[in-house]
Amino acid sequence: GAGVSQTPSNKVTEKGKYVELRCDPISGHTALYWYRQSLGQGPEFLIYFQGTGAADDSGLPNDRFFAVRPEGSVSTLKIQRTERGDSAVYLCASSLYPGTGAQYFGPGTRLTVL
Amino acid sequence: QKEVEQNSGPLSVPEGAIASLNCTYSDRGSQSFFWYRQYSGKSPELIMSIYSNGDKEDGRFTAQLNKASQYVSLLIRDSQPSDSATYLCAVTNAGGTSYGKLTFGQGTILTVHP
Repeated sequence: GAGVSQTPSNKVTEKGKYVELRCDPISGHTALYWYRQSLGQGPEFLIYFQGTGAADDSGLPNDRFFAVRPEGSVSTLKIQRTERGDSAVYLCASSLYPGTGAQYFGPGTRLTVL
Repeated sequence: QKEVEQNSGPLSVPEGAIASLNCTYSDRGSQSFFWYRQYSGKSPELIMSIYSNGDKEDGRFTAQLNKASQYVSLLIRDSQPSDSATYLCAVTNAGGTSYGKLTFGQGTILTVHP
């Protein structure tokens, strides 16, 4: 069956620009998570959606980062006024059972801010 | 103290040997434990989940959990060169606002040489 998909796979942008990263979870998975992974590190949690609502956004680094999931399926991570420090791989994961259930990752979006 | 700690390695084992990967965690409220495999340039792939003390076997993989010692390990039997990857330990708990959030270690690089 289809896994988690993310678009684009690569995004190069200039400092100060706005970007949107999209995630399409596994069909039927109600829980959706965004993580960010820098080279040589494990993924770091950004935000968790249960249905349409952000149940935990404690990992968002600042107010330039925002995410939505308006219909409870596809999610978009939005980054305003990008900075070079935002360069990383942004990973999306979904889970059938929120909380203790296993999470399955998409292929990621590699964001490079010049 | 990091919440989830792994030896970054690299861990090098000969083909056919047992590879032993270790992970400790600091949050006693952690309830679910996962091992992910990540090939270079790819996203994390779930290989094992464990929720209760003891051993859980799946093919060549065995996960071991000891909640009293806050320790989880992964054994890979009959290691193959295709097992060469970074192995990420991840934990989550169901309490409070961290419900569902995975906390990762930095990963252990495993190299299996012929």
